[in-house]
Amino acid sequence: LAKTTQPISMDSYEGQEVNITCSHNNIATNDYITWYQQFPSQGPRFIIQGYKTKVTNEVASLFIPADRKSSTLSLPRVSLSDTAVYYCLVQTGANNLFFGTGTRLTVIP
Amino acid sequence: GAGVSQSPSNKVTEKGKDVELRCDPISGHTALYWYRQSLGQGLEFLIYFQGNSAPDKSGLPSDRFSAERTGGSVSTLTIQRTQQEDSAVYLCASSLNGPGGWSGNEQFFGPGTRLTVL
Repeated sequence: LAKTTQPISMDSYEGQEVNITCSHNNIATNDYITWYQQFPSQGPRFIIQGYKTKVTNEVASLFIPADRKSSTLSLPRVSLSDTAVYYCLVQTGANNLFFGTGTRLTVIP
Repeated sequence: GAGVSQSPSNKVTEKGKDVELRCDPISGHTALYWYRQSLGQGLEFLIYFQGNSAPDKSGLPSDRFSAERTGGSVSTLTIQRTQQEDSAVYLCASSLNGPGGWSGNEQFFGPGTRLTVL
């Protein structure tokens, strides 16, 4: 079971780039890394997924080093609407999907 | 198309009563997941279904919790003899494919059911 560790909270000013790192030291060969965003009173929403190196979509980038024991979600030029909780999920074809406590990002005007 | 829906949105019950929570996944999604989220906490995985089968039920907190899925679609989470510590938001999600593999495992979440046990 690949548990994850993230910072509990982060603050950032509007327009800055935010990097949130997740540690998953016990990641297995077949595990993928997925990031979700959750606003208050809503279910989480998929942001990005990767296996190794770098993945980019219209919302974020995901950086995964060669050893895959960590991953970094990068949000370019954050706005107030990016204030949310961000979860790192390591998932396999097995069971017990572990979301962890997430990182609460607060964007400051 | 419709997203994942859950009912009821809110449920208040008395300690010791049984409750049933319903989840309607996105049509065609083969996998369905249940999570629990206590106030200010992360998501606690409970169970997932691939089709109508639950490969592992070990995430369920106690034998008071059970879940079923019928017709590869609707799922019901039942909590018997509710306790105050069961109070939480229960989230359901579905994905096109199961949690493994490269594609189709993105989970789409419903709005949740807020359960309050008095």
